[in-house]
Amino acid sequence: NAGVTQTPKFQVLKTGQSMTLQCAQDMNHEYMSWYRQDPGMGLRLIHYSVGAGITDQGEVPNGYNVSRSTTEDFPLRLLSAAPSQTSVYFCASSYRIPGNNYGYTFGSGTRLTVV
Amino acid sequence: AQKITQTQPGMFVQEKEAVTLDCTYDTSDPSYGLFWYKQPSSGEMIFLIYQGSYDQQNATEGRYSLNFQKARKSANLVISASQLGDSAMYFCAMREALNAGKSTFGDGTTLTVKP
Repeated sequence: NAGVTQTPKFQVLKTGQSMTLQCAQDMNHEYMSWYRQDPGMGLRLIHYSVGAGITDQGEVPNGYNVSRSTTEDFPLRLLSAAPSQTSVYFCASSYRIPGNNYGYTFGSGTRLTVV
Repeated sequence: AQKITQTQPGMFVQEKEAVTLDCTYDTSDPSYGLFWYKQPSSGEMIFLIYQGSYDQQNATEGRYSLNFQKARKSANLVISASQLGDSAMYFCAMREALNAGKSTFGDGTTLTVKP
């Protein structure tokens, strides 16, 4: 099925470890974003991309890196995990042109725990 | 800077009745889009409806409609004929044309539908 695929679904890290959350979409969406959702709260933007080779910081970028070498893939790297990064991470993508299909398609999320 | 405010942390509605979820926004960009997303207890994020700032008519998608009052900067979601499956968290979000690669989300409203 077409959509946004995130892996892994669950991950436990030790403080100081690094890892990469994978995100891939097959809808040829120009825009891709990473959000984190802390318990009982809304989504906060970490990084986003408006096309291959173009990325920018969101609201809470510290401790995370991204790259976008292809239209399809937008991995999120945690450089040195900290307990404050315990959260659910969502990858999302959308078309660039406003209209009725302009909303995000979200991945199923990655539940990350840092101990 | 763009900002979304959802003032209702929780709402209750009787099955088959209509319910309105409030959303106000702030932006200095004359061109923007407003979105509503649903997050059931299973955790996935589902795009419901979109309204463009220049759209003349309120958006509708099945039982969902968006009550867009531009002068008041409000974009309330109306769910008609509520169903038990509508119980979920609902997020309002905005995307400005000048920064279309990113969206800002409100803190959400938890809707509970009573049988």
